[in-house]
Amino acid sequence: SQTIHQWPATLVQPVGSPLSLECTVEGTSNPNLYWYRQAAGRGLQLLFYSVGIGQISSEVPQNLSASRPQDRQFILSSKKLLLSDSGFYLCAWSGLQYNEQFFGPGTRLTVL
Amino acid sequence: GQQLNQSPQSMFIQEGEDVSMNCTSSSIFNTWLWYKQDPGEGPVLLIALYKAGELTSNGRLTAQFGITRKDSFLNISASIPSDVGIYFCAGRAQYNFNKFYFGSGTKLNVKP
Repeated sequence: SQTIHQWPATLVQPVGSPLSLECTVEGTSNPNLYWYRQAAGRGLQLLFYSVGIGQISSEVPQNLSASRPQDRQFILSSKKLLLSDSGFYLCAWSGLQYNEQFFGPGTRLTVL
Repeated sequence: GQQLNQSPQSMFIQEGEDVSMNCTSSSIFNTWLWYKQDPGEGPVLLIALYKAGELTSNGRLTAQFGITRKDSFLNISASIPSDVGIYFCAGRAQYNFNKFYFGSGTKLNVKP
């Protein structure tokens, strides 16, 4: 069966510091991968998605970037965090044989 | 861009009551998904719908794919306290197979 992992689970970072969040998927190959951000009590905002290694589509211009160095690995990064980057970051995957999208457990990021 | 209108925004109901929520889109969708999110966790897929008119159940939950392919509803029968959470609809538009569009969520509160 397929599983999706995210780490870290929680993170507290100072303004201006770098960021690296990691997401990995097991049990499937060539998935579509997604990064979402969710503000407290709000809906899901799609940040990036990837249909293959090295292929990244950006949905919202911002100081975040994404990379996909391996088929089942998706990384969200920033060189300098802003206060507004605080939120709940969710990674998700979907596959060719599935019309559904499955989410990871999320990373709670607090920028101080 | 694609808009998904989900209503109601929040609901306060008594345990044992039935609940109904719905989503409408501005475009034709080929997939409708319903998720539940508990605080601090990633959304969990409840029901997936693939055909216009399809009616699918998962325990006390029932969802339908609208005939026009631009709407979907979710019903919860005989609500219980553990139904508390935020419910999201999501869809996959026929013009972009790689992206999922999400509603803003319905926050459900169940009073014992």
